[in-house]
Amino acid sequence: KAGVTQTPRYLIKTRGQQVTLSCSPISGHRSVSWYQQTPGQGLQFLFEYFSETQRNKGNFPGRFSGRQFSNSRSEMNVSTLELGDSALYLCASSSKQGAQGEKLFFGSGTQLSVL
Amino acid sequence: AQSVAQPEDQVNVAEGNPLTVKCTYSVSGNPYLFWYVQYPNRGLQFLLKYITGDNLVKGSYGFEAEFNKSQTSFHLKKPSALVSDSALYFCAVRDFQAGTALIFGKGTTLSVSS
Repeated sequence: KAGVTQTPRYLIKTRGQQVTLSCSPISGHRSVSWYQQTPGQGLQFLFEYFSETQRNKGNFPGRFSGRQFSNSRSEMNVSTLELGDSALYLCASSSKQGAQGEKLFFGSGTQLSVL
Repeated sequence: AQSVAQPEDQVNVAEGNPLTVKCTYSVSGNPYLFWYVQYPNRGLQFLLKYITGDNLVKGSYGFEAEFNKSQTSFHLKKPSALVSDSALYFCAVRDFQAGTALIFGKGTTLSVSS
């Protein structure tokens, strides 16, 4: 079974631009979560989607948004990029939403550099 | 608010020696605890979890973790370290108010020397 696939693997953007990241979950998984990883802040939860609906959102500004399609694939968008948005963005999937003991399966991430 | 702390930024051990990576947590209610490992340029991989039951949890690659409620700790252990265990290790606690979202510790870099 294929794992979580994130594209692109690397992105370089300039301040003020916008960017869209893509995530394909494991087949059959309906929950997709996004995390931002930076050396200073570590791993921080962005949002979670289940059945095309955003179920939970972390403490990030409105410039960060996402969506999920009927095939469970998800996209994350960051508008008006800032230097501080440079990070590794990780997508994770799980088979159930809100399942307390459910483990997450992570993709390899998209490394975003904002110049 | 729920939180998790990993007091050591780096742990160094020699191959063949036992290793411990420390984690303490703060939750209201019963904790759901996880350990994940991250290799360079890769995403996180699940190692093990504690939900309920036996305080000693066994996971992937020979790792285990001991849940200690009185000390609010969930330390990761392995009896005999391998060079290939060198990686970044994250402890995490489930955020009950945010679906499947996890609150991660800052991570501990494990370095195993040959």
